[in-house]
Amino acid sequence: QKEVEQDPGPLSVPEGAIVSLNCTYSNSAFQYFMWYRQYSRKGPELLMYTYSSGNKEDGRFTAQVDKSSKYISLFIRDSQPSDSATYLCAMSDGMRYSSASKIIFGSGTRLSIRP
Amino acid sequence: DAGVIQSPRHEVTEMGQEVTLRCKPISGHNSLFWYRQTMMRGLELLIYFNNNVPIDDSGMPEDRFSAKMPNASFSTLKIQPSEPRDSAVYFCASRSEPREAFFGQGTRLTVV
Repeated sequence: QKEVEQDPGPLSVPEGAIVSLNCTYSNSAFQYFMWYRQYSRKGPELLMYTYSSGNKEDGRFTAQVDKSSKYISLFIRDSQPSDSATYLCAMSDGMRYSSASKIIFGSGTRLSIRP
Repeated sequence: DAGVIQSPRHEVTEMGQEVTLRCKPISGHNSLFWYRQTMMRGLELLIYFNNNVPIDDSGMPEDRFSAKMPNASFSTLKIQPSEPRDSAVYFCASRSEPREAFFGQGTRLTVV
């Protein structure tokens, strides 16, 4: 079993729809959770970064973490064609001021927003 | 800061040749990661360093792969000898623990 599971999609929704992307994980030591967006032939770019459980909102994006269920989500409101990309969840078991901690990625979900 | 800088952006080489990928992390970051991305396997962690010291190289697929970080501003990933199945996009990322990681633009490696 992979440490991080993510539905690869593809997911296609009409412009303006609310998009929900999800990941599950098995390692209860994960405390830092990230979402990255990757356009074709580009490196992943950070969208959201959260620590422990709870919600975080940034513009049209909301990240949710439920550590009790080992489940994280990214919501995109008022989706735009420019949001079409692959979205990768990532998580880390780093403790604050720890010497080092690895970051494990999900396989990514391909999202397409139809105009 | 210019971000994480990787070179070359593209590399085409013949099977059996040595390949060296290079990475300059963001100044002040104390951890550096090497990832490999393929359609089949997604983004795989190969090795990561903290304060220039390799912490975990369990993701390095074979002894043909090696990585070094001689100082805080430079790292290399070497494949010798290269094989067609090594063809992938290789990413370098850096972070200031325990914060988020920032990625370079990647090196697209093709081994023919």
